[in-house]
Amino acid sequence: EADIYQTPRYLVIGTGKKITLECSQTMGHDKMYWYQQDPGMELHLIHYSYGVNSTEKGDLSSESTVSRIRTEHFPLTLESARPSHTSQYLCASSEGGANEKLFFGSGTQLSVL
Amino acid sequence: QKEVEQNSGPLSVPEGAIASLNCTYSDRVSQSFFWYRQYSGKSPELIMSIYSNGDKEDGRFTAQLNKASQYVSLLIRDSQPSDSATYLCAVNIGDYKLSFGAGTTVTVRA
Repeated sequence: EADIYQTPRYLVIGTGKKITLECSQTMGHDKMYWYQQDPGMELHLIHYSYGVNSTEKGDLSSESTVSRIRTEHFPLTLESARPSHTSQYLCASSEGGANEKLFFGSGTQLSVL
Repeated sequence: QKEVEQNSGPLSVPEGAIASLNCTYSDRVSQSFFWYRQYSGKSPELIMSIYSNGDKEDGRFTAQLNKASQYVSLLIRDSQPSDSATYLCAVNIGDYKLSFGAGTTVTVRA
């Protein structure tokens, strides 16, 4: 069973607020990812990290930022939330190498009013 | 052109039938291919991975890969109501990153 946790599970917030979505894993995985998913659409990679102090932007332009100060923790921050940020945010991790299986957290459903 | 495209669905099959899901990809150098299952309101979970041309079987699931045609498929035999979910095709696009299709929603009718 995957040991990757996301909080909060649901978040409803007003425009202009700063928010941080938390993601933690206890598997010791170096590689971590943030995906954005809208109903009926592809998962879009917005950020990824290959280890501590390593972060990269993904294929989908995002106004969010991430940090990776500890192996197990990969939070995502929106400095000023807007209605266009309303979406499902999924965090994932993997061992990498020959085993590319992604373990996903339960997701955060964000609604910006 | 999208990197990964799946047949649009939704796909409705009777219990006990075979569900056939298709996926094409655009990057010829991709070497790793995956099928994830996502139940409504849940996160994706890996059900199959395939790396070589041909068939790979795991229980009632069979993945098929044809790199020359840039095509990967998933067959679900003896479909059960518990197989009702959205199935996501994912392709490695380099640097440990996966590109996902939009998914095909399967409904198994009892």
